[in-house]
Amino acid sequence: DAGVIQSPRHEVTEMGQEVTLRCKPISGHDYLFWYRQTMMRGLELLIYFNNNVPIDDSGMPEDRFSAKMPNASFSTLKIQPSEPRDSAVYFCASSLAGDREGIYGYTFGSGTRLTVV
Amino acid sequence: AQSVTQLDSHVSVSEGTPVLLRCNYSSSYSPSLFWYVQHPNKGLQLLLKYTSAATLVKGINGFEAEFKKSETSFHLTKPSAHMSDAAEYFCVVSDLPGDSSYKLIFGSGTRLLVRP
Repeated sequence: DAGVIQSPRHEVTEMGQEVTLRCKPISGHDYLFWYRQTMMRGLELLIYFNNNVPIDDSGMPEDRFSAKMPNASFSTLKIQPSEPRDSAVYFCASSLAGDREGIYGYTFGSGTRLTVV
Repeated sequence: AQSVTQLDSHVSVSEGTPVLLRCNYSSSYSPSLFWYVQHPNKGLQLLLKYTSAATLVKGINGFEAEFKKSETSFHLTKPSAHMSDAAEYFCVVSDLPGDSSYKLIFGSGTRLLVRP
């Protein structure tokens, strides 16, 4: 398995532009998570999906952020319009949770480093 | 609510000496606990996990962690540090699964520096 695949690896954009980050989870995983990592705030959970349905989006900072999961093999995180304070590394992770004891941990992608200038 | 506290933001050791990274957790349930490692400019990698089986858990790269319920601790150890161990380490607790609220709660991280 190729693992969780994120694209692009690096993105530099100008303030006000739309940015779309992409994630392909591991085949068969039923949970998908989007995290943001900054020096100041550490790892923040933005949103997560279970079976393509958003479960908890309370971490999404503003209405400028939106996430979709149109099918089990693809998710996007969109920022429109982008601002310099959105600069961070954005991680996608997927997981398989079977029964109540079936905690397998997450598999993380390599992240997208976003710079908004 | 579940939470983890990593007691040290930075730990510095000499190569070949033991490593101890401390973590305390708070949980209303019997928790699932994890340690993740992040090398510079890389994603996070699972080191080891505790899920109510043996209290001493062995992970990759010679790391171990011991679950101590009486102390609500899950400290990460390694007998002998290697230069390649320099990274950031995250202690993580799981939310309770089965009720559509499954998610992992990350600690603030401990940066491990290994001196030659």
